[in-house]
Amino acid sequence: QVQLVESGGGVVQPGRSLRLSCAASGFTFSDYAMHWVRQAPGKGLEWVAVLSDNRRNKFHVDSVKGRFTISRDNSKNTLYLQMNNLRADDTAVYYCAKDRYSSGWEGYIDQWGQGTLVTVSS
Amino acid sequence: IVVTQSPATLSVSPGESAILSCRTSQSVSKNLAWYQQKPGQAPRLLIYGASTRATGIPARFSGGGSGTEFTLTISSLQSEDFAVYYCQQCDNWYTFGPGTKLEMK
Repeated sequence: QVQLVESGGGVVQPGRSLRLSCAASGFTFSDYAMHWVRQAPGKGLEWVAVLSDNRRNKFHVDSVKGRFTISRDNSKNTLYLQMNNLRADDTAVYYCAKDRYSSGWEGYIDQWGQGTLVTVSS
Repeated sequence: IVVTQSPATLSVSPGESAILSCRTSQSVSKNLAWYQQKPGQAPRLLIYGASTRATGIPARFSGGGSGTEFTLTISSLQSEDFAVYYCQQCDNWYTFGPGTKLEMK
């Protein structure tokens, strides 16, 4: 079955960096676009970034542009999110998520990891 | 695109039906999804393309609408259906609504 396992979360001071990883299994990782979605404590969902299956196309929500970068290593079935210059309002559970559509993307997310908590605090 | 949901909280008895609403600030055609999220869990895709049930989703969940107004109907509510429901527009990047909490009456 599909598994997405995030790691790398923790407590970090404002202005510092963190890299999240997501290990994927149970499907052909290189065939699917992948997303990061976050959820601040007690709040709703916010889409963060998407990366195409072939790594050619990546997009980030405006609030993280220039600070966060999504990437992937298809040989390791792993998705990453490099987060620089972190701010208090980046505090959230970060979910790794798989797009439903292969060879492209639609934005419909049919598989989610359990999430990793990032807390930005001094 | 701004996505709104109503009501914020809906109280319904088991066995009854619930209708949840989602509106977008501009037309998204049928590029809309619904997710269910239970406490401490990741969201689960219920409906995509406004009305297509995702794999394994029971028939009591149905989606409708197009353009700017959408509904999620859950018929014959079961105990496991009480959760928070989010809609997501996928027409112009991706934005989620604030959610509707479906609670047991």
